Amino acid sequence: DAGITQSPRHKVTETGTPVTLRCHQTENHRYMYWYRQDPGHGLRLIHYSYGVKDTDKGEVSDGYSVSRSKTEDFLLTLESATSSQTSVYFCAISSSGTASTDTQYFGPGTRLTVL
Amino acid sequence: GNSVTQMEGPVTLSEEAFLTINCTYTATGYPSLFWYVQYPGEGLQLLLKATKADDKGSNKGFEATYRKETTSFHLEKGSVQVSDSAVYFCALRENNDMRFGAGTRLTVKP
Repeated sequence: DAGITQSPRHKVTETGTPVTLRCHQTENHRYMYWYRQDPGHGLRLIHYSYGVKDTDKGEVSDGYSVSRSKTEDFLLTLESATSSQTSVYFCAISSSGTASTDTQYFGPGTRLTVL
Repeated sequence: GNSVTQMEGPVTLSEEAFLTINCTYTATGYPSLFWYVQYPGEGLQLLLKATKADDKGSNKGFEATYRKETTSFHLEKGSVQVSDSAVYFCALRENNDMRFGAGTRLTVKP
C-alpha cells in the first residue's frame, strides 16, 4: 500500500468556521490531489499540486484553498465552511502528472460534517 | 470534456454468480482507463487498468477490455465471492484530468 495518511479522519464543525485537512505521504511522489466524494457524483477533483508551492484548480475548487510547503504534505483549507462542503475528502498521489498511464493512489479519507 | 458513465446500482448477486458492471466514457484524446474498488470505510484501491485500445486489464479474477470502438470498459468476473462486496468506480485519466463514474455498489450474498 502507498504510504498516504490523512488527518483528521473525522471532523464535525459549524458553518462559518475554518477547517484544514492534512495529507501526508512517504512515497516522495511529485503530484498530490484533493478530491471530494459525494453520492451520485463519484470523486471530483478540488485542487492538485505538481510540486512544492505549485498548485492548480480542479473541477470544484470554489470555497477551497490548498498549500504545499513540503513534498510530503498537502493541506486543504475551507476558509469558511458551509453545509454544502459536508463530504468525504480523499487525498491521492502519483509520480507523474503528464503520463495518463500513471496510477493515482488514494488515502483513507476524511469524513467532514458541517452543521 | 471528458466523462465517465457507469451503470447505477445497487447490484445484488448470489455467490458464484457472473458479474458485469458497465462503463462507457467520453474523451477528447487517448485516455487510460481504470477500475477502482472501495471497501467500507476505506479509500479507493486500484483494481485494474488499461492504457490503450484493446488492452485487457485483469486482477483477482476481474477483467476489463478497453474498447475504443464502443468507448467502453466493462468490468467482469466469472464467479463473485462475498468478499467482493464493495463499491466499484470506473475512471479515465488524460494527463492531470481524472474523471470518475458515480460508483456501483455490489452486494454478494452467500
